[in-house]
Amino acid sequence: DVKVTQSSRYLVKRTGEKVFLECVQDMDHENMFWYRQDPGLGLRLIYFSYDVKMKEKGDIPEGYSVSREKKERFSLILESASTNQTSMYLCASNREYSNQPQHFGDGTRLSIL
Amino acid sequence: AQKVTQAQTEISVVEKEDVTLDCVYETRDTTYYLFWYKQPPSGELVFLIRRNSFDEQNEISGRYSWNFQKSTSSFNFTITASQVVDSAVYFCALNQFYFGTGTSLTVIP
Repeated sequence: DVKVTQSSRYLVKRTGEKVFLECVQDMDHENMFWYRQDPGLGLRLIYFSYDVKMKEKGDIPEGYSVSREKKERFSLILESASTNQTSMYLCASNREYSNQPQHFGDGTRLSIL
Repeated sequence: AQKVTQAQTEISVVEKEDVTLDCVYETRDTTYYLFWYKQPPSGELVFLIRRNSFDEQNEISGRYSWNFQKSTSSFNFTITASQVVDSAVYFCALNQFYFGTGTSLTVIP
């Protein structure tokens, strides 16, 4: 079974801090994704990556950056955290850019105070 | 533009009732894929089904069934004889990236 592991289940940070959310998958998937989930808004794509060092902006990339130095790891970075980035963050992965089902991690509930 | 609409925000049913979750999509693609995912209270989204645009056959898997109708751009999900374990948020998605806002289903014992 594919396992997508997010480093933290809950995280509390302060405004202005640089925040790192880490995601690791163990099935050699080419694609990895970061979403944020907010009530009433569903899942919104922040960034995705289809290969090492490759990234594409999603619908809401502002205030975020990503890093993929190794195939199994995809990091989401909040450069200067703000309260409106308080949310649930979900990482996912799948094989190739061919509309395969995504495998999701458990999510990180991030609170910015 | 690609869009998924799940008009039902919350649904409550009594155990053993049947329930249908609606999903309407918009796309100009001739080839596209539709998905349903389940998010239980634990938080991890779990894949349920994928359908491509050329396959309009309905699908049944145990108590779950899916009705895909291109004519109405809908991909509805029915749970027969609902159980408490079906309580979750269900998401419909189009072409990987485009998720609906989800329908929260509560099954009351």
